[in-house]
Amino acid sequence: EDKVVQSPLSLVVHEGDTVTLNCSYEVTNFRSLLWYKQEKKAPTFLFMLTSSGIEKKSGRLSSILDKKELFSILNITATQTGDSAVYLCAVHSGGSNYKLTFGKGTLLTVNP
Amino acid sequence: NAGVMQNPRHLVRRRGQEARLRCSPMKGHSHVYWYRQLPEEGLKFMVYLQKENIIDESGMPKERFSAEFPKEGPSILRIQQVVRGDSAAYFCASSREPGGEQYFGPGTRLTVT
Repeated sequence: EDKVVQSPLSLVVHEGDTVTLNCSYEVTNFRSLLWYKQEKKAPTFLFMLTSSGIEKKSGRLSSILDKKELFSILNITATQTGDSAVYLCAVHSGGSNYKLTFGKGTLLTVNP
Repeated sequence: NAGVMQNPRHLVRRRGQEARLRCSPMKGHSHVYWYRQLPEEGLKFMVYLQKENIIDESGMPKERFSAEFPKEGPSILRIQQVVRGDSAAYFCASSREPGGEQYFGPGTRLTVT
């Protein structure tokens, strides 16, 4: 069975700190890894990673994938209170279906 | 460009009633996925549909649950004879192509009393 594990489960930091969120996976027929931000509503798409070692960047957020070691990290620099959310990692496995297997998420709280 | 639309946003049903959840994908997207999020748990895949076809329903409970995506109109997730354990947030996502980025709707929060 496909498995996605995120760590830490929760994290509390102060504004301005840098955080690193981890995601490891065990899936058959890996296709891609996706990161989402979930506040009290729909998960919002952040990144989709398919190739090892290529960093994707959007403002203060960046992410990288290591397909050999089967993990990804999401970095957030100069955190702001608006970054407080649950960050979800999901893996797209192949075959005839295209379902996403999600981790349980990391709850990030940024205090002023 | 409107995002994925779901309605209703909140639905309360008594045990034994039917629940119907609707999802309209993003414009240009023909692939729809349904996920369920139970309290304190991650999102779990239920079913993947294309227009008029169920591609993968491996995550759907065998009884009481069904899904469709007709040629015209939204995708529907139907839960018959609801039980308390069906209380959850149900999210719909859509993508332009299989394996593409999935964009999520706001979810329907189902409460069974």
